[in-house]
Amino acid sequence: DIQLTQSPSTLSASIGDRVTITCRASQSVSDWLAWYQQKPGKAPKLLIYKASSVEVGVPSRFSGSGSGTEFTLTISSLQPDDFGTYFCQQYSSYTRTFGQGTKVEVK
Amino acid sequence: QIQLVQSGAEVQQPGASVKVSCKASGYTFTDYYIHWVRQAPGQGLEWMLIMNPKDGTTSYAPKFQDRITLAKDTSTGTVYMELTSLRSDDTALYYCARAGVGPTLGTLDYWGQGTLVTVSS
Repeated sequence: DIQLTQSPSTLSASIGDRVTITCRASQSVSDWLAWYQQKPGKAPKLLIYKASSVEVGVPSRFSGSGSGTEFTLTISSLQPDDFGTYFCQQYSSYTRTFGQGTKVEVK
Repeated sequence: QIQLVQSGAEVQQPGASVKVSCKASGYTFTDYYIHWVRQAPGQGLEWMLIMNPKDGTTSYAPKFQDRITLAKDTSTGTVYMELTSLRSDDTALYYCARAGVGPTLGTLDYWGQGTLVTVSS
């Protein structure tokens, strides 16, 4: 299976901060990578697909980049609604895998 | 609107089985694959399988290959996931999710609300 490792595991940030989360794959996934946001008690929500394409309805402050084995999710200016946990997911192989998650919390 | 509605919480004993349902609406059921993903309390997401509702073909994560039985009812747009030989570490929130198509192919674009399965004696 392709392993995904996210860093950091927890991130403390303030409103207005630029936030960057990294996802590293154990082997190349090309650009077959997605990012999700999960709020407590809720199902995940798709934010980014194909490494850098923003899902319809997702605010423009969210962006993704990378290819191969290293990817980043950036929030350009953190807003109150952005606190939660973020997961990356690869779909290069038929056996999908997720990263372990990055919790974004209030500083 | 597109919805995936799952069955309610379950409590089962170790060694028993549990069946969770996922009813899709708002789109053509047979046009989109369905994923199952689980999340143990306070933990990350674990992908379990993907199923083609048109013909029932399924691809599993290796650890679940021998313990899951899937069924579908095309007339109601419902998928059923049965997990057998339950253990305490199967305690988790189980999600069904629709697979994306076109540009979002490979992603999970709509999710159910989750079904909590608790395994306890």
